[in-house]
Amino acid sequence: NAGVTQTPKFQVLKTGQSMTLQCAQDMNHEYMSWYRQDPGMGLRLIHYSVGAGITDQGEVPNGYNVSRSTTEDFPLRLLSAAPSQTSVYFCASSSSAGHNYNEQFFGPGTRLTVL
Amino acid sequence: AQSVTQLDSHVSVSEGTPVLLRCNYSSSYSPSLFWYVQHPNKGLQLLLKYTSAATLVKGINGFEAEFKKSETSFHLTKPSAHMSDAAEYFCVVTLMDSNYQLIWGAGTKLIIKP
Repeated sequence: NAGVTQTPKFQVLKTGQSMTLQCAQDMNHEYMSWYRQDPGMGLRLIHYSVGAGITDQGEVPNGYNVSRSTTEDFPLRLLSAAPSQTSVYFCASSSSAGHNYNEQFFGPGTRLTVL
Repeated sequence: AQSVTQLDSHVSVSEGTPVLLRCNYSSSYSPSLFWYVQHPNKGLQLLLKYTSAATLVKGINGFEAEFKKSETSFHLTKPSAHMSDAAEYFCVVTLMDSNYQLIWGAGTKLIIKP
C-alpha cells in the first residue's frame, strides 16, 4: 500500500493563479481532510470529507474548494492564490468507524509558496 | 469551546535524560487525546492515543502519556532521550461529538543534546 500520496511536493505560484493539490489514498478510508501548517502554529483544518460526495468546511476554508467524487481522491483547489496561502499542506485519511478514536494517516505534504 | 495548549515551544534535554512535554486541554466533554510526532521535513506519525480506557497510555519508541482529568493534562514522557527523538511533537484533542474535527496544539520542538 502506498498510503496517502500528495502531489506536487513543491509549488511556486504567482498571486492570482489557481492550482489543484492532489491527494489520494489506497486504504479505502471514508474520512479525508486537508490541513495547513504554518510556523509556530499547529495544523489547521481547511476542509474535510466523510465519504464520496460529502464535504464540509473546517476552521480556515476561505480561498479553497474541495470535491470528493471517489473514495480514493480528495483534491484541494486554490481559486486565486494569495501570499497568505503560503504554507505546507497536509492531506490525511482515516477509517470512519469510531473516527475520533482512529489514527489519521498523513501524506508527505506540499510546500506552497505564493509570490 | 475546546482548545489545547502546549506549554513549551522548545524543550532541550541531554541524550539519556528524561523527556517531559506538557499539554493541557480544555473541553466540556470527555475528550480523546493524541500525540503526533513530525521529524524534520517529514510527515506526521501517531505516537499514542487516549480514548477513555487506561489513563496511562503507552506509545511507540518508548513514549507514554498520562491522562489526568482533574488537571486537564496529557503530558508526554520518555525515561531516556535518544538522538533520534529530536522532532516536533503535537498534542491533539477531539471530542466524542466533534463532527470529525481535531484541535491541534502549536507544537513543541524537542532538541536532544549529545
